[in-house]
Amino acid sequence: AQSVTQLGSHVSVSEGALVLLRCNYSSSVPPYLFWYVQYPNQGLQLLLKYTTGATLVKGINGFEAEFKKSETSFHLTKPSAHMSDAAEYFCAVTGSGGYNKLIFGAGTRLAVHP
Amino acid sequence: SQTIHQWPATLVQPVGSPLSLECTVEGTSNPNLYWYRQAAGRGLQLLFYSVGIGQISSEVPQNLSASRPQDRQFILSSKKLLLSDSGFYLCAWVQGQANTEAFFGQGTRLTVV
Repeated sequence: AQSVTQLGSHVSVSEGALVLLRCNYSSSVPPYLFWYVQYPNQGLQLLLKYTTGATLVKGINGFEAEFKKSETSFHLTKPSAHMSDAAEYFCAVTGSGGYNKLIFGAGTRLAVHP
Repeated sequence: SQTIHQWPATLVQPVGSPLSLECTVEGTSNPNLYWYRQAAGRGLQLLFYSVGIGQISSEVPQNLSASRPQDRQFILSSKKLLLSDSGFYLCAWVQGQANTEAFFGQGTRLTVV
């Protein structure tokens, strides 16, 4: 079975500071991992994903994440926060081999202050 | 290009009334379809998913049901709404297996009063 844990339901950073949003997963099969962003009252938009290959993946808006199998983690980072990054971020997992469930974490709300 | 339509955007329904939320996808065929509910502080809870017409997998025993009468149509229903059914409902589709990008509708804000 798959599950996702996002540590910290709220994260607050200053503009220009490092953004780190934590995600740990559990999967009975090799995982595929995703980060999505949601702006208020909207659907979700894909930031980046890991399926196979390079464990450091780069996404849109300067975000990147690293798949660490030994730590079962897929933390999201951005070197310098921008005001427009304020949103809710969701980590998600599914599995290889024809697995069809897409499971999301509880989300982390990122606040960016001047 | 592919698009996903979800309606209505907002809905206020009394307790005990029926519910029907509809989601349709255009520009693709045989997608995997998903219904999620988003409640405050609880993230996205997977309610149902479907890999084909008439094929529904239920994730959480509850007051809701889903149907897929056509390839690109996914319907979320309830015969009698409960207060606890309030939330933000999101439909999503994936082309093929769930290891590819999921595309989301704009969501339906349901308030049961």
